Amino acid sequence: DTEVTQTPKHLVMGMTNKKSLKCEQHMGHRAMYWYKQKAKKPPELMFVYSYEKLSINESVPSRFSPECPNSSLLNLHLHALQPEDSALYLCASSRLAGWAYEQYFGPGTRLTVT
Amino acid sequence: GQQLNQSPQSMFIQEGEDVSMNCTSSSIFNTWLWYKQDPGEGPVLLIALYKAGELTSNGRLTAQFGITRKDSFLNISASIPSDVGIYFCAGQLGDNSGAGSYQLTFGKGTKLSVIP
Repeated sequence: DTEVTQTPKHLVMGMTNKKSLKCEQHMGHRAMYWYKQKAKKPPELMFVYSYEKLSINESVPSRFSPECPNSSLLNLHLHALQPEDSALYLCASSRLAGWAYEQYFGPGTRLTVT
Repeated sequence: GQQLNQSPQSMFIQEGEDVSMNCTSSSIFNTWLWYKQDPGEGPVLLIALYKAGELTSNGRLTAQFGITRKDSFLNISASIPSDVGIYFCAGQLGDNSGAGSYQLTFGKGTKLSVIP
């Protein structure tokens, strides 16, 4: 089983809202990732968690706040977003971070900021 | 930073034809991954390559890790309509050498259209 699940599938939020994206994997992977993907572009790395600790923050604005409550779950808390933050947000996981293991992606959350 | 050149950007083929796409890099990777992405969905891993010169198949798909470690190609034989989508290559250092080793460097994608 190489499944990464994400909820919700679609999200529309205003610029003053607070919402959260959720990601879950049960493959025993100890590395989890958040990516942002704009239309017709490849995914861009936002955050990397390794053993539930934040390892990489790719200069992402503070209006995006990641959280890793346990080894299976990854959240992305959203607050005061801008319309240009509208994108497909992808979660991924791999066995370990930093080593040559495959990254498996979830189906994504399509976020629209109005 | 590292960049991957993926070509072609798009291709239109007849059902049943073979397809070839490739990625080249200005620097070395230790892992090459090929993904397929359908509209509105996440990328799905097709093939992972870990060794220079390695040739790996997954059904009608065949991918190779270039001997210089700076390139990879993906072939699809006897294309069918469900092959339509965007194919991404991705390279990874994966040597636990630092922050750069976490990164997947993606190509810009090859959009495949199959004419029935």
